[in-house]
Amino acid sequence: DIQMTQSPSSLSASVGDRVTITCRASQRINNYLNWYQQKPGKAPKLLIYAASSLQSGVPSRFTGSGSGTDFTLTISSLQPEDFATYFCQQSYSIPNTFGQGTKLEIK
Amino acid sequence: QVQLVQSGAEVKKPGASVKVSCKASDYTFTSYGITWVRQAPGQGLEWMGWIDAYNGNTNSAQKFQGRLTMTTDTSTSTAYMELRSLTSDDTAVYYCARRFSVYRNVDPWGQGTLVTVSS
Repeated sequence: DIQMTQSPSSLSASVGDRVTITCRASQRINNYLNWYQQKPGKAPKLLIYAASSLQSGVPSRFTGSGSGTDFTLTISSLQPEDFATYFCQQSYSIPNTFGQGTKLEIK
Repeated sequence: QVQLVQSGAEVKKPGASVKVSCKASDYTFTSYGITWVRQAPGQGLEWMGWIDAYNGNTNSAQKFQGRLTMTTDTSTSTAYMELRSLTSDDTAVYYCARRFSVYRNVDPWGQGTLVTVSS
């Protein structure tokens, strides 16, 4: 199975900050990398697919980049509603494993 | 809008089985797959498997093979996930989600079904 490792596991930031979350795959996954946002008690929501494609309806302050094994999710200017947990997922091979999550908290 | 609505919470005893339903609406059910993901309390997301709603083909994580069955009823646009031989480690929220064919991303997700396994 492909292992997905996110860093950091948690992050404190302020409204207006720019933040970057990193996801590393244990082997090459081309651009089969997705990012999801999850708020407490809610189902995850797709933000980015194919490493850098913004899902319809998602604000443009979210950007994804990377290919191969190293990927990043950047939020350009944090808004109050962005404080949540973020997961990366590889969809290159079965099982489509997730990273362990990055919890973004208000500083 | 596209929506997946799951069945309600379940409480099961160890060794029992659970079957969760996931009813899709506002899209052509057979043009996509359905993925199942679970999340134990306070933990991350665990991918379980997926089913092609067009032909019923399935693929699942090795750890669930032998006790996980995924099916669909195209007449009602409903997917089902059955997990057998439950243990306390299976206590989790179970999610279904629509799977896209090209990049295999999933969106939207159902609201989740809490399955509690307790004696």
